[in-house]
Amino acid sequence: AQTVTQSQPEMSVQEAETVTLSCTYDTSESDYYLFWYKQPPSRQMILVIRQEAYKQQNATENRFSVNFQKAAKSFSLKISDSQLGDAAMYFCAYRRGILNTGTASKLTFGTGTRLQVTL
Amino acid sequence: EAQVTQNPRYLITVTGKKLTVTCSQNMNHEYMSWYRQDPGLGLRQIYYSMNVEVTDKGDVPEGYKVSRKEKRNFPLILESPSPNQTSLYFCASRSGTSNEAFFGQGTRLTVV
Repeated sequence: AQTVTQSQPEMSVQEAETVTLSCTYDTSESDYYLFWYKQPPSRQMILVIRQEAYKQQNATENRFSVNFQKAAKSFSLKISDSQLGDAAMYFCAYRRGILNTGTASKLTFGTGTRLQVTL
Repeated sequence: EAQVTQNPRYLITVTGKKLTVTCSQNMNHEYMSWYRQDPGLGLRQIYYSMNVEVTDKGDVPEGYKVSRKEKRNFPLILESPSPNQTSLYFCASRSGTSNEAFFGQGTRLTVV
């Protein structure tokens, strides 16, 4: 079974600084997807960034980028120029890449990292 | 607007009183799932559906039922709720050809 581990329950960053959230995963699959979701106090789950395992290039979305190390099974999220609105719970998630099978619909989540942004 | 709608947003109920949390999506997605979120445990899948009349258990299905009679709707049924089902519940949907899952707003359920 796949597992996702986020070893940092809480992190803090000053506004305008950079912070990196860690995520490791365990899988025997070669085809999969990795995601970072943001959950602000509103509880809404917001997709921040995704990475296809077959792509070597690290995904970026504006101030958000990932460091995807497939061999090490590591998928960290870097937030640059942190803003107050970035304060939230962040979840790392994994999904199998095989279509049309039941388990391909499942996202396996880590336990989350609560990010605090200070002035 | 593309969205997944859950109702109710908040619910307090008593042990043993049957309840249903509704989920509806307007994107014609094949895949739909229910998750529960608990502190320190992240989100865990309860049930999923690949299409109409096709459902299967996720990681934590005990005490829950689902149905998928129409493509847009995927209700979560608690036949006899217990306090250990107090949680935050999310419905999610996804197209079979897309990587992005769309989540509902969440339902905070308290069973006393």
